[in-house]
Amino acid sequence: GAVVSQHPSRVICKSGTSVKIECRSLDFQATTMFWYRQFPKQSLMLMATSNEGSKATYEQGVEKDKFLINHASLTLSTLTVTSAHPEDSSFYICSVPARQGQSPLHFGNGTRLTVT
Amino acid sequence: QKEVEQDPGPLSVPEGAIVSLNCTYSNSAFQYFMWYRQYSRKGPELLMYTYSSGNKEDGRFTAQVDKSSKYISLFIRDSQPSDSATYLCAMSPNAGGTSYGKLTFGQGTILTVHP
Repeated sequence: GAVVSQHPSRVICKSGTSVKIECRSLDFQATTMFWYRQFPKQSLMLMATSNEGSKATYEQGVEKDKFLINHASLTLSTLTVTSAHPEDSSFYICSVPARQGQSPLHFGNGTRLTVT
Repeated sequence: QKEVEQDPGPLSVPEGAIVSLNCTYSNSAFQYFMWYRQYSRKGPELLMYTYSSGNKEDGRFTAQVDKSSKYISLFIRDSQPSDSATYLCAMSPNAGGTSYGKLTFGQGTILTVHP
C-alpha cells in the first residue's frame, strides 16, 4: 500500500496567490523528506530537502522565499508556493526514504499545479 | 553531457515479450541504483533497487548493475499490457548526510505492451 500520502492531487490557482501542498509519511516517522518537481516531458529534479525541526535545504536555483517548506512533525511536511506565477505550473512530488537515512525513496502521487 | 542517459523510446512490444531497459551514467560516486515506473499523472512507483553492483530479481523483474561499465539494466519478462508506463532509472551517491535523497533521474523510457 501507499507509504506516502500527498494532497491535493490537483490545484488551479490565480497568479499572485499561494498554494500549500501536504506530504505525509504513513509508514514511519521521517526526519527527512524530499520535494521534487517535474516539468512536462522532463524528468524529476530535487528542489529541496525537508528536515524535521530545522530549516529546509534548497538546491541551487530554487528560491527559498518562494517555496516555503515546513516539517513540523515527523510525519508531515508542507510545501507552500508563494505568489505563484504561471512559470511555477508543474508537477510537485514529495518523497520519503524507505528506511531512515537511506535510499531508495518512495514518492507520493504528486500535485499538479496550474497557475492561471 | 547528462549525468544519466536513458533512451526515451518509445518502445512498443507485444504481450509476452522480454523488455530490456538501460541507462548509462558518468558519475562514479553513484552507489544506489533504482528503477521506477510512472503512470501518466502519477508519482513514480519504486520497482527495484540495488546498492553497488550486482543482480537482483523480483518476480518478472530483474535489475542489473555493472559499475565498471557504468551501465544499469532492467529486464521485464512475460510483459503485460499493464506494464505500459514510463520507466525511470535513478541513482544517488552515498556521500553522507542526506545525499542519499538527491536522486538523479534518467529521462524515462515510454513502454507500450500491446495485446
